[in-house]
Amino acid sequence: NAGVTQTPKFRVLKTGQSMTLLCAQDMNHEYMYWYRQDPGMGLRLIHYSVGEGTTAKGEVPDGYNVSRLKKQNFLLGLESAAPSQTSVYFCASSSFRTQGGPREQFFGPGTRLTVL
Amino acid sequence: AQSVAQPEDQVNVAEGNPLTVKCTYSVSGNPYLFWYVQYPNRGLQFLLKYITGDNLVKGSYGFEAEFNKSQTSFHLKKPSALVSDSALYFCAVRANYGGSQGNLIFGKGTKLSVKP
Repeated sequence: NAGVTQTPKFRVLKTGQSMTLLCAQDMNHEYMYWYRQDPGMGLRLIHYSVGEGTTAKGEVPDGYNVSRLKKQNFLLGLESAAPSQTSVYFCASSSFRTQGGPREQFFGPGTRLTVL
Repeated sequence: AQSVAQPEDQVNVAEGNPLTVKCTYSVSGNPYLFWYVQYPNRGLQFLLKYITGDNLVKGSYGFEAEFNKSQTSFHLKKPSALVSDSALYFCAVRANYGGSQGNLIFGKGTKLSVKP
């Protein structure tokens, strides 16, 4: 199993350009997440999805959109990139929680995005 | 508000010595707590979690964590540090507010440096 994969690994954009980050998981997980990681700020949740066709806002959703048309894929879109969106983006997935409590999240390798 | 605090930005330890990475939390209801590790240019990897039961939780790579309800802490420990343990460590707590679907709230991370 590849686990969680992210495409691309690196990207440089100019202000105002758009792009889509792709996340794929092969573990049949119901839940998927997009985070951004900035120095000294830990990970902050952008959007998440609890199943195919459903998405919800996280802590820092402004400037981003997401879609989950297939269970295994979760796309993060930037319609008009801004320098403040320069960050490392991580995708994660987890299975549905059980009576034993929440399941751990599995993370992808990240996408390093620079917006000039 | 629910939150996680990692009071130390960096922890320095000599190889072979015990290590502790501190974490305190604030959450309503029962806490579900996690530790993750991030090696350079990699995604986060799950180390261990506390759901219920024994206050001492054992995880991957010889790490363990001690849950202390009265002090609202979940410190990560290892009896004998290795140079290869050098990495960024994140504590996380599951959010308990309505509609959160069990999202994780991460601390800002603690950089562990183990010197030979």
